[in-house]
Amino acid sequence: DAGVIQSPRHEVTEMGQEVTLRCKPISGHNSLFWYRQTMMRGLELLIYFNNNVPIDDSGMPEDRFSAKMPNASFSTLKIQPSEPRDSAVYFCASSLIEARYEQYFGPGTRLTVT
Amino acid sequence: AQKVTQAQTEISVVEKEDVTLDCVYETRDTTYYLFWYKQPPSGELVFLIRRNSFDEQNEISGRYSWNFQKSTSSFNFTITASQVVDSAVYFCALSEASNSGGSNYKLTFGKGTLLTVNP
Repeated sequence: DAGVIQSPRHEVTEMGQEVTLRCKPISGHNSLFWYRQTMMRGLELLIYFNNNVPIDDSGMPEDRFSAKMPNASFSTLKIQPSEPRDSAVYFCASSLIEARYEQYFGPGTRLTVT
Repeated sequence: AQKVTQAQTEISVVEKEDVTLDCVYETRDTTYYLFWYKQPPSGELVFLIRRNSFDEQNEISGRYSWNFQKSTSSFNFTITASQVVDSAVYFCALSEASNSGGSNYKLTFGKGTLLTVNP
């Protein structure tokens, strides 16, 4: 079975540019999560979706960040405009709905904003 | 609010030593779930185990074992006869439902413990 797929794996961009990160969850999973990991702040939940509907976006740092899930098999996280402090590893994870189910993580996208 | 504390930031052991990674959690819910994840140097996060709050039975899987104690709000992870391949950051996490149906929830991670196993 394919796991969570993320693209690109690495992204280097200049400050001010738009960045789009993509995620394909595990087939059959109906919850999707976006996390950011940095040395300073550890793993932070940015936003999560249940059945393609955003449930909690309180972790999204500011209006420059937006996420969409147009269907059950695809989600995007967009940063516009990007800033150097956005440099981090962004993980997408998916699971079945309900707190009792474990989340499965994608390989992550390492974003560097210069 | 839920909270997970991994007090050990870094641990270094020599191969074949046993090592225990501590995890202490805080929650107001009576129903919650605890998890351990491994993040090797390659960067991916790998699910290791899930425990629910009603099941305090300890679990063993090969060289890995987990000790869940509600009385002390702890969910510790022990690696027996550690190997170099066990070197990774290990995260403990807590999930509790934010609504009665359990469909809205958050997974709160600890800061992680970096385990280095030296040959």
